[in-house]
Amino acid sequence: EADIYQTPRYLVIGTGKKITLECSQTMGHDKMYWYQQDPGMELHLIHYSYGVNSTEKGDLSSESTVSRIRTEHFPLTLESARPSHTSQYLCASSDDGGPQETQYFGPGTRLLVL
Amino acid sequence: SQQGEEDPQALSIQEGENATMNCSYKTSINNLQWYRQNSGRGLVHLILIRSNEREKHSGRLRVTLDTSKKSSSLLITASRAADTASYFCATGNTPLVFGKGTRLSVIA
Repeated sequence: EADIYQTPRYLVIGTGKKITLECSQTMGHDKMYWYQQDPGMELHLIHYSYGVNSTEKGDLSSESTVSRIRTEHFPLTLESARPSHTSQYLCASSDDGGPQETQYFGPGTRLLVL
Repeated sequence: SQQGEEDPQALSIQEGENATMNCSYKTSINNLQWYRQNSGRGLVHLILIRSNEREKHSGRLRVTLDTSKKSSSLLITASRAADTASYFCATGNTPLVFGKGTRLSVIA
């Protein structure tokens, strides 16, 4: 079991609310990632970070934002949740990267926006 | 894009049978990885095969890589109901690019 944690595990919230999905890892990894995944579907990379104060957008356009103030913490924020944001959000981290990169995933947050 | 494409999309077998999943990709790679995802959970790394390797084993898992055909296969031998999950291949350096996955159901 990887030392990467996500909270909350499940969230049901109304349209227009601001939410923050938490992700933390205790492995000292520099690289962290956020993926969006609909049930039974492929993963879409929405944000990633290669270290403190470094954030990049992924392949899938997302209305969410991220921050990386501390190595172990990579929260994702939706300023105004909409039903289209309903999905599973997976956080991952990796060590050195490069040709041998292996990603470690958290358990995910299932978000339902009503 | 280096995205892997798994085939079949879904596979249903009886317990004890072997399960084979394939992954095709488009550009040259340094390595290819396979991950497993139980329903509603995060992905778990299974095995990594380097571009200069042709075959790799880990327990009941056997992975092959054919760089000339830009394809890889994952074989699970003597499958168990607990092997029921989605299996993804991943390519690229960083960040990894995941395929669409094969959903495996093992029926007891």
